[in-house]
Amino acid sequence: KQEVTQIPAALSVPEGENLVLNCSFTDSAIYNLQWFRQDPGKGLTSLLLIQSSQREQTSGRLNASLDKSSGRSTLYIAASQPGDSATYLCAVSRGSYIPTFGRGTSLIVHP
Amino acid sequence: EAGVAQSPRYKIIEKRQSVAFWCNPISGHATLYWYQQILGQGPKLLIQFQNNGVVDDSQLPKDRFSAERLKGVDSTLKIQPAKLEDSAVYLCASTSSKGREVGELFFGEGSRLTVL
Repeated sequence: KQEVTQIPAALSVPEGENLVLNCSFTDSAIYNLQWFRQDPGKGLTSLLLIQSSQREQTSGRLNASLDKSSGRSTLYIAASQPGDSATYLCAVSRGSYIPTFGRGTSLIVHP
Repeated sequence: EAGVAQSPRYKIIEKRQSVAFWCNPISGHATLYWYQQILGQGPKLLIQFQNNGVVDDSQLPKDRFSAERLKGVDSTLKIQPAKLEDSAVYLCASTSSKGREVGELFFGEGSRLTVL
């Protein structure tokens, strides 16, 4: 059974810092890995999708990497802003698109 | 392109009552999921449909929860009778099995259930 762990559980940083959020998974036979953002009271918004054959994906100030052999993914946020404050979740899918989620990292960026 | 639609957004009921949630996925998405998210936790899969067939419902409490996806498009999740521990946000998601977005999950805004 796939288990997904996200570290740290919570993070509070001043504006402008570069951040690293971690996601680890126990079964490396994955189909893809997806990072999401969740604002309070809202659904999940997709940030980046990495297929199993890819090593990384970038979108604006976000960069996500994938190392299947070590069971790890990292989400890098450059020059953080208060608007980045949210919970960040990763989901790992095996075949048949069955995703398993971590518990998330709660991020607060203060001015 | 319209996103995943869910209703109602909020529902408050008393324990032992019943409730139903509705989801309409993105047009053309064959796979539909229902997740339960309890405050402070990640989403937990309840059921996955591929068209109108069930792929995985191993974590669905079948004594009180039921879900259907007639005609392979929209879906309904029902809870009867509700318990206090069912208070959560119920999230619907869909994904395509082809194209550039294959396997990418898209979520609705969720339905927040409070059981008193």
